[in-house]
Amino acid sequence: DAGVIQSPRHEVTEMGQEVTLRCKPISGHNSLFWYRQTMMRGLELLIYFNNNVPIDDSGMPEDRFSAKMPNASFSTLKIQPSEPRDSAVYFCASRPNRDNTIYFGEGSWLTVV
Amino acid sequence: AQSVTQLDSHVSVSEGTPVLLRCNYSSSYSPSLFWYVQHPNKGLQLLLKYTSAATLVKGINGFEAEFKKSETSFHLTKPSAHMSDAAEYFCVVTGPHTGGFKTIFGAGTRLFVKA
Repeated sequence: DAGVIQSPRHEVTEMGQEVTLRCKPISGHNSLFWYRQTMMRGLELLIYFNNNVPIDDSGMPEDRFSAKMPNASFSTLKIQPSEPRDSAVYFCASRPNRDNTIYFGEGSWLTVV
Repeated sequence: AQSVTQLDSHVSVSEGTPVLLRCNYSSSYSPSLFWYVQHPNKGLQLLLKYTSAATLVKGINGFEAEFKKSETSFHLTKPSAHMSDAAEYFCVVTGPHTGGFKTIFGAGTRLFVKA
């Protein structure tokens, strides 16, 4: 089975540019998560969707960040405008309704210069 | 409320010696507990999970963990370390899957394996 698929794997962008990260969850999984990982703050939950509906977005840092899940097989995390402090690894993860195991993608490495 | 504490930020072992990564948890409910491993520049991979069945859980790559309710612990062990085990390990706690509980990640333990 294909795992959680994220793109791009690596992105280097200039401050002020818009960044869009994409995620395809595992087929049949009802929950989708976006996490951010940095050396300073570790792994942080940004937002959590269930059945395409945002359930908890309390971790979204500020208005520059937005996330959408237009259907069960696709989600985006957008940063506009990007800042150097947004440099991090962004993980997408999904979970089936039948249990509480979270499955992670390989991550998107974002560098904002 | 739930919380998880990984007692060591770094652990260093020699190849071929046992590994012990310690994790304590707190949960108001019957917890589900997980260990994930993250190799450099990779995502988090599930090593093993406990969900109220057998208290000794076997995972991939020779790892196992024992759920001890009286000690609120879920320590990860491996009899003999291999160089490829060098990675960061995360202990994770959540509640029963039907309860909509948050998933709480520990801060991580970085395992170094010396030749």
